[in-house]
Amino acid sequence: AQKVTQAQTEISVVEKEDVTLDCVYETRDTTYYLFWYKQPPSGELVFLIRRNSFDEQNEISGRYSWNFQKSTSSFNFTITASQVVDSAVYFCALSEASETDSWGKFQFGAGTQVVVTP
Amino acid sequence: EAGVTQSPTHLIKTRGQQATLRCSPISGHTSVYWYQQALGLGLQFLLWYDEGEERNRGNFPPRFSGRQFPNYSSELNVNALELEDSALYLCASRQGFHEQYFGPGTRLTVT
Repeated sequence: AQKVTQAQTEISVVEKEDVTLDCVYETRDTTYYLFWYKQPPSGELVFLIRRNSFDEQNEISGRYSWNFQKSTSSFNFTITASQVVDSAVYFCALSEASETDSWGKFQFGAGTQVVVTP
Repeated sequence: EAGVTQSPTHLIKTRGQQATLRCSPISGHTSVYWYQQALGLGLQFLLWYDEGEERNRGNFPPRFSGRQFPNYSSELNVNALELEDSALYLCASRQGFHEQYFGPGTRLTVT
């Protein structure tokens, strides 16, 4: 079963527009971690943020902000005033404790391609 | 601090051959993950190693195998290569519940 759903396959915006990427997750664990990664055309995934299940505070880092809502099992990502350099594939991921209490289970969504045009 | 390194950067093989890909994790990281990313597709989980043991594998045939060495570096082997094995192979390392850090990947082309 799909545990991390990124329903948006591709989003195209014009520079300076805001863009919001949706991420919906599914878990039975009470303790888990959520992540966002960026994959630019070069191919290397870049870690953006980690959020644990007990911290629902929204976070802002420059033009990036994240909205974590446990009630809707969502961890959405907004890029404000987008720039061409933001063009990339963005992945949301979920890490749960496995039956052996290991944190090895790590599941990625399908990714959302963001295209920012000048 | 050095990041995750992978070698080679590119690898070209013919169908039926074997490919060996290597990964060195960030110092102090004991877990190594391997992913396959075919062109235009998402990340497909291949293998997870921790403390020298295979902990989990994705839905791939047995000709995909690997190992983790005592220094936590890892090797991914793909036997009897098929054309559809052409992809970017990404390695990531991790410590505990923290985030994974990815290497630059190995681009495997099977002709």
